[in-house]
Amino acid sequence: TAGITQAPTSQILAAGRSMTLRCTQDMRHNAMYWYRQDLGLGLRLIHYSNTAGTTGKGEVPDGYSVSRANTDDFPLTLASAVPSQTSVYFCASSDSGDSGTDTQYFGPGTRLTVL
Amino acid sequence: GQNIDQPTEMTATEGAIVQINCTYQTSGFNGLFWYQQHAGEAPTFLSYNVLDGLEEKGRFSSFLSRSKGYSYLLVKELQMKDSASYLCAVVDSNYQLIWGAGTKLIIKP
Repeated sequence: TAGITQAPTSQILAAGRSMTLRCTQDMRHNAMYWYRQDLGLGLRLIHYSNTAGTTGKGEVPDGYSVSRANTDDFPLTLASAVPSQTSVYFCASSDSGDSGTDTQYFGPGTRLTVL
Repeated sequence: GQNIDQPTEMTATEGAIVQINCTYQTSGFNGLFWYQQHAGEAPTFLSYNVLDGLEEKGRFSSFLSRSKGYSYLLVKELQMKDSASYLCAVVDSNYQLIWGAGTKLIIKP
């Protein structure tokens, strides 16, 4: 079982360009999440989706957008990248998004550098 | 505000025991997670505590005191492969996960 996959593994992006980070899970989990992880800081939630067709804003949503057209896929789009968006991005999923107490399973991450 | 405090870095010796502390101040409490994250890899689940006391799972144990806003992760019989960051995360009153910055554990032979 693949679990959660993310693509690309890493990317260097020019400031002002747009980019979509892909995330796919095969566990039929209802909830999916996007986090960014920066040195010295905890994981910070960007956007989440409790079920297909719904999305919500996390702690740091500005500059990012998401969609959840189906259960498996949860892409994250940067419309116009800025250097402060340089980070490692993790996608995660959990069985249910309603309780918040379900274990989250993480993808391998995408390392993004914006120059 | 909400806050999770963990030591930034700890060093321990192979074969020994280490205790990694986590203190939290959050708006409500609905459980506490510990995750392990090896360098360059994804976080993976270790434990979940919602009631006070000690939960043991092999070489890993996690303790919770809700009245003190305190948890620790105990790792026994340390192995080199335990070198990793250990992340503490609290589920707040809105059922959102609040993450600590993590503790980098260095194991020396």
